[in-house]
Amino acid sequence: GAVVSQHPSWVICKSGTSVKIECRSLDFQATTMFWYRQFPKQSLMLMATSNEGSKATYEQGVEKDKFLINHASLTLSTLTVTSAHPEDSSFYICSATRQGRNEKLFFGSGTQLSVL
Amino acid sequence: AQRVTQPEKLLSVFKGAPVELKCNYSYSGSPELFWYVQYSRQRLQLLLRHISRESIKGFTADLNKGETSFHLKKPFAQEEDSAMYYCALSEQGRRALTFGSGTRLQVQP
Repeated sequence: GAVVSQHPSWVICKSGTSVKIECRSLDFQATTMFWYRQFPKQSLMLMATSNEGSKATYEQGVEKDKFLINHASLTLSTLTVTSAHPEDSSFYICSATRQGRNEKLFFGSGTQLSVL
Repeated sequence: AQRVTQPEKLLSVFKGAPVELKCNYSYSGSPELFWYVQYSRQRLQLLLRHISRESIKGFTADLNKGETSFHLKKPFAQEEDSAMYYCALSEQGRRALTFGSGTRLQVQP
């Protein structure tokens, strides 16, 4: 089956630094990837939709200058949390669609970000 | 805006008992509904989608447009069904998902 690899699985950083999270589709081409965040005991909230070769589409309330998304190839999208603050601490999950007649969404294993 | 509601945070049943995980949605168009499952320490994975009308691991879900519901059911719960279950909706023509808050199913021996 299709696999989405997300790295790192957890990261601790100091306030004010930037953190990059990678999302790779290992055995398929993903023209669209999605980034979600999940606070403890809450649901996944869509942050942005990332299309290969174009600018990401951000959901209302998500700061595009803070959460930089790059989708430079059909197998890789990155999310950079710039100038991270403690309130950015969350679980970030990417997902990717594999195009086809039975299009499905595949999820990465998530990245736990803790900002000190 | 679309919304997905899962009223129960936790559902605890005994092995062999019937299970129903509730999901209601609000969306003005024609949605596509899904159930995702997350087993302990594993990633989210698709359990079933309403357009497939299939049964996976004994689970079924019927879309009721009148009641705007997509409840997940299984007649006889197994211990290995213990997991977090998320109901999700995608808008017509869009692949991004709106998730419910999730229900943790605990199946006791």
